[in-house]
Amino acid sequence: DAGVIQSPRHEVTEMGQEVTLRCKPISGHNSLFWYRQTMMRGLELLIYFNNNVPIDDSGMPEDRFSAKMPNASFSTLKIQPSEPRDSAVYFCASSLEYREVSQPQHFGDGTRLSIL
Amino acid sequence: KQEVTQIPAALSVPEGENLVLNCSFTDSAIYNLQWFRQDPGKGLTSLLLIQSSQREQTSGRLNASLDKSSGRSTLYIAASQPGDSATYLCAVNSGGSNYKLTFGKGTLLTVNP
Repeated sequence: DAGVIQSPRHEVTEMGQEVTLRCKPISGHNSLFWYRQTMMRGLELLIYFNNNVPIDDSGMPEDRFSAKMPNASFSTLKIQPSEPRDSAVYFCASSLEYREVSQPQHFGDGTRLSIL
Repeated sequence: KQEVTQIPAALSVPEGENLVLNCSFTDSAIYNLQWFRQDPGKGLTSLLLIQSSQREQTSGRLNASLDKSSGRSTLYIAASQPGDSATYLCAVNSGGSNYKLTFGKGTLLTVNP
């Protein structure tokens, strides 16, 4: 079975540019998560979607960050304009939530983002 | 605010040794606790999930325990192998939601052949 697929795997761009990260969750999963991992802060939840609807975006650091989930098989995380402090590894994860019982989250391999 | 701490930050052991990784959390009102493994350049792989009503979970050579009242969990790895080398992260699901995970910083495990 295909796992969570993220693209690109690596992104290097200059400050001020728009960055778009993409995620395809596992087929049939109804919950999708975007995380950011840095050495200083570890793993932090940015936003959570359930059935394509954003439920909790309290972790999104600033208005420069936005996320969408237009359908059950695709999500994007966009940073505009990007800044050097946005450099991190961004993970997408998905799970199947049923009657509010937590199930393990399945992670993609991440996008390593470097803003110069 | 939930805080998760993992000790030690790094651990190096010879192959075949049994070992214990520790995780502590500050708010005992949790839904569940999960242990993940992260290999370099990769995402996280879920190892074990313990619901708040459970005391432990086992999978192969792995055993995870949960003591909610003391805010602690341990991950026991039996007969360690070089392939077990990775970073192990503990995450707690709490804060009034059943999805929000608070992660520890992880323990970097090296098993030497």
